[in-house]
Amino acid sequence: DTEVTQTPKHLVMGMTNKKSLKCEQHMGHRAMYWYKQKAKKPPELMFVYSYEKLSINESVPSRFSPECPNSSLLNLHLHALQPEDSALYLCASSQDHGSDTQYFGPGTRLTVL
Amino acid sequence: GENVEQHPSTLSVQEGDSAVIKCTYSDSASNYFPWYKQELGKGPQLIIDIRSNVGEKKDQRIAVTLNKTAKHFSLHITETQPEDSAVYFCAARYNFNKFYFGSGTKLNVKP
Repeated sequence: DTEVTQTPKHLVMGMTNKKSLKCEQHMGHRAMYWYKQKAKKPPELMFVYSYEKLSINESVPSRFSPECPNSSLLNLHLHALQPEDSALYLCASSQDHGSDTQYFGPGTRLTVL
Repeated sequence: GENVEQHPSTLSVQEGDSAVIKCTYSDSASNYFPWYKQELGKGPQLIIDIRSNVGEKKDQRIAVTLNKTAKHFSLHITETQPEDSAVYFCAARYNFNKFYFGSGTKLNVKP
């Protein structure tokens, strides 16, 4: 099973709301990633977790807060977002930090009003 | 850091023809080059990859070539089918698990 699941599929939120995106994998992977993808653009790395610890933060604004409760789960907490944060948020995982192959989830389509 | 350039941005071919997408990268330290296919409303799916110690790799109708000296790699799809229509991204791995993506190529295969 090479599946990464993400919930919800779609999310609409106001600028004052607090919401969370969830990602789950059961492949035993120890590295997990959040990417942001704007329309007609490539994915852009946001965060990398390795063995449940944050290893890379690509200077992401603090209104995005990642969390890795255990080796199978990855959350992205959202607070006070701006309309320009509307995008497809992709989660990915790989065997470990330094492994080649990344498996992507289907993404959460986020719209900020 | 790394910079990946991808061409063309759009490619339209007739069913059965071949399609070639090219990417260049800037940092010679990059050592792994995956290609992803992304269909509308879905996440990227790995279709083929190549490591820096290999010059060519083939998987059925899909092949990738790597020229380390020139710092470019290409995706070749033969006998294209309508279901190959999608956006294709190349990527280069730099500094452990930082992946830099090309800008994408929208491939349209006309029946």
